[in-house]
Amino acid sequence: DTAVSQTPKYLVTQMGNDKSIKCEQNLGHDTMYWYKQDSKKFLKIMFSYNNKELIINETVPNRFSPKSPDKAHLNLHINSLELGDSAVYFCASSRRQATYEQYFGPGTRLTVT
Amino acid sequence: GENVEQHPSTLSVQEGDSAVIKCTYSDSASNYFPWYKQELGKRPQLIIDIRSNVGEKKDQRIAVTLNKTAKHFSLHITETQPEDSAVYFCAASKRDDKIIFGKGTRLHILP
Repeated sequence: DTAVSQTPKYLVTQMGNDKSIKCEQNLGHDTMYWYKQDSKKFLKIMFSYNNKELIINETVPNRFSPKSPDKAHLNLHINSLELGDSAVYFCASSRRQATYEQYFGPGTRLTVT
Repeated sequence: GENVEQHPSTLSVQEGDSAVIKCTYSDSASNYFPWYKQELGKRPQLIIDIRSNVGEKKDQRIAVTLNKTAKHFSLHITETQPEDSAVYFCAASKRDDKIIFGKGTRLHILP
């Protein structure tokens, strides 16, 4: 049973395109996150949702728009992709915000050419 | 806001020796300190965590120590094995706030 799943696993696209990454968790957790991991392996939080409500919105270009249709899903839509958006994007979930173990998805490797 | 510094960025140890990774944090209100391990091409996974009401926690070959006064915490791995090779991240957080990760330590276990 996959606890946190993401699709797609790999995404190769051209500059200027719009793409989406989907995330689902079957752990019954209240909080979900999106992280960006760059080539240097830095893990940076982008967004956090608690019970479908946006609670953390870091300094991220507004080309990135998260959407949480329900507590188990958190999707990430990216408009007008740029070369600098190339990275691995991880979805994660936790029982509650911040002070509980986070369960990460397998990651989506986005390559913008 | 919280800032987490992690050292060293790279660490090589002989198989069987011990490895120590250190982190400092800036927000004295932080009370949760997890450590995540990320193997090559895989997702980060929690290996151990400690809360501020405890000074030390151990799980087999892995231990974490916390010094609240100095605002630093450390990961200790004893009797290292090849499968310990990975990137390790420390993190700090407090209730209803975001978690902040250190920049990671790449641990190499030498045969």
